[in-house]
Amino acid sequence: KAGVTQTPRYLIKTRGQQVTLSCSPISGHRSVSWYQQTPGQGLQFLFEYFSETQRNKGNFPGRFSGRQFSNSRSEMNVSTLELGDSALYLCASSSLLLPIAEQETQYFGPGTRLLVL
Amino acid sequence: AQSVTQPDIHITVSEGASLELRCNYSYGATPYLFWYVQSPGQGLQLLLKYFSGDTLVQGIKGFEAEFKRSQSSFNLRKPSVHWSDAAEYFCAVGGRSPLNAGGTSYGKLTFGQGTILTVHP
Repeated sequence: KAGVTQTPRYLIKTRGQQVTLSCSPISGHRSVSWYQQTPGQGLQFLFEYFSETQRNKGNFPGRFSGRQFSNSRSEMNVSTLELGDSALYLCASSSLLLPIAEQETQYFGPGTRLLVL
Repeated sequence: AQSVTQPDIHITVSEGASLELRCNYSYGATPYLFWYVQSPGQGLQLLLKYFSGDTLVQGIKGFEAEFKRSQSSFNLRKPSVHWSDAAEYFCAVGGRSPLNAGGTSYGKLTFGQGTILTVHP
């Protein structure tokens, strides 16, 4: 079974531009979460999607947005990029959201490394 | 608000030595606790998780962790470290998040700052 895939793996943008990152979850997984990882702030939760709906959201400005498609693939978008947006963006998927959360495991992708100049 | 503290930023051990990585959490209800490992340039790999029941949890690669509610701790241990264990380790806490459509999610994890493990031959 293929793992979580993220594209592109590396990206260089300049301040003020916008960027779209893509995440394809493991086949059959319907929940996708996004995290930002930086040396200063560590790993921070961005948002979670399930069945094309945002279920949870972290404390990030409105410049950060996302969506999920009917095939569970997800994209996140960052508009008006700032230098501080340089980070590794990780996507994680989990299976059908079951009543018994103990059965769930999140699988992380390799991440997209974004550099803003 | 939930939080996780990993007091040790960097730990160095010799190959074959035992290892304990510390994790303290703050969470208002019964926590779900996780340990992840990240190798350079890689994503996160789940080592083990605790939801309920036996407080000693076994994971992959010979790791185990013990949940101590009274100390709000979830320390990771390995009896004999291998050179390939060198990586960064993250402790995380989450909780059940009921969803309108039914079911639950723990997608909103709060991570510690990580502990970098160096293994000397």
